[in-house]
Amino acid sequence: DAGVIQSPRHEVTEMGQEVTLRCKPISGHDYLFWYRQTMMRGLELLIYFNNNVPIDDSGMPEDRFSAKMPNASFSTLKIQPSEPRDSAVYFCASTNRGATRGTGELFFGEGSRLTVL
Amino acid sequence: GDSVTQMEGPVTLSEEAFLTINCTYTATGYPSLFWYVQYPGEGLQLLLKATKADDKGSNKGFEATYRKETTSFHLEKGSVQVSDSAVYFCALSEWNTGNQFYFGTGTSLTVIP
Repeated sequence: DAGVIQSPRHEVTEMGQEVTLRCKPISGHDYLFWYRQTMMRGLELLIYFNNNVPIDDSGMPEDRFSAKMPNASFSTLKIQPSEPRDSAVYFCASTNRGATRGTGELFFGEGSRLTVL
Repeated sequence: GDSVTQMEGPVTLSEEAFLTINCTYTATGYPSLFWYVQYPGEGLQLLLKATKADDKGSNKGFEATYRKETTSFHLEKGSVQVSDSAVYFCALSEWNTGNQFYFGTGTSLTVIP
């Protein structure tokens, strides 16, 4: 089975540009999470969805960040406008509690490394 | 609220040394506990898990026992290899309380030949 697929793997952009990161969760998974990882702040939860509905977006840093999940197989994380401090690795993860016998362990993608100049 | 605390890194060991990475947790209910590993340039991968008290999770020579009395889930390996160099994250999930996943801050391990 294919794992969580993220694109792009690497993105370099200039400050002020719009950035869109994409995620395809594992088929059948009903939870999707977006995390950000930096050396300074470690792994931070940005937002998570259940059945395509955003449940908790309290980790979204500010209004420049938005996330959508239009269907069960696709999610986007958008930053507009981007700033140098947004440089990080962004991970998408998914799970299905039923498929994991209730434990709900997360399956991570390879990440999208964003550099904002 | 729920939380996970793991030992500060970085940890540097010689090949074949014994490894322990401490992890303690705070939870309101009965969480499942996990160790994830992140190799350089990759995403996090599940290393092992335990779902109830006294369960022992094991994988690739790593072990961790769910200790409810001490709220701990320490990661151990008897003889580390250079290929074990990675960042290790302790985590818990407590879905029954309506919330989700909590990660520790990660512990970087470097194994030198």
